[in-house]
Amino acid sequence: DTAVSQTPKYLVTQMGNDKSIKCEQNLGHDTMYWYKQDSKKFLKIMFSYNNKELIINETVPNRFSPKSPDKAHLNLHINSLELGDSAVYFCASSHDIGNTEAFFGQGTRLTVV
Amino acid sequence: GENVEQHPSTLSVQEGDSAVIKCTYSDSASNYFPWYKQELGKRPQLIIDIRSNVGEKKDQRIAVTLNKTAKHFSLHITETQPEDSAVYFCAASKPGNQFYFGTGTSLTVIP
Repeated sequence: DTAVSQTPKYLVTQMGNDKSIKCEQNLGHDTMYWYKQDSKKFLKIMFSYNNKELIINETVPNRFSPKSPDKAHLNLHINSLELGDSAVYFCASSHDIGNTEAFFGQGTRLTVV
Repeated sequence: GENVEQHPSTLSVQEGDSAVIKCTYSDSASNYFPWYKQELGKRPQLIIDIRSNVGEKKDQRIAVTLNKTAKHFSLHITETQPEDSAVYFCAASKPGNQFYFGTGTSLTVIP
């Protein structure tokens, strides 16, 4: 059983399109995150949710909108995709925020052409 | 906010040698310091962590040390093996706050 799963694994799309990435965790964790990993491998936090509520929203363009319908799901919707959005996006979850191990999903490689 | 610096960015060692990766942090309130290993094309996975009430922690060939006064912590891998080749990330956090990751160290173990 996969603890944190995200779909799709690969996503190739044209500039200007809108796309969504889904994430689900079956660990019973209260906190979920979205990270962006660029070509230099840096893991940059985008959003943190705790009990379905947005806790942290780093400097991320408004084109990125997270949605958490329940504690087990945190989806990421991206509008008007740009070339610079190409990266690997990781969803993660932890029991609470910032104090315990974070479990990562397998990543979604987004390529904008 | 917290600022985590990690060095070196790349590290090559001969199989059987030791590898050391160092991180510094800026927020003295940070109290949880995990280390993640990311193999090529895979997700980051926790390999060891340490909390601020402990100075050192070991797990087989892996050890982490923490110096709260100097605000730095290090990962030590002994008797390196080719399967240790990966990107390693340090992180720092405090309760109620997000993880701040270092910029990563690409470790290559040469057989």
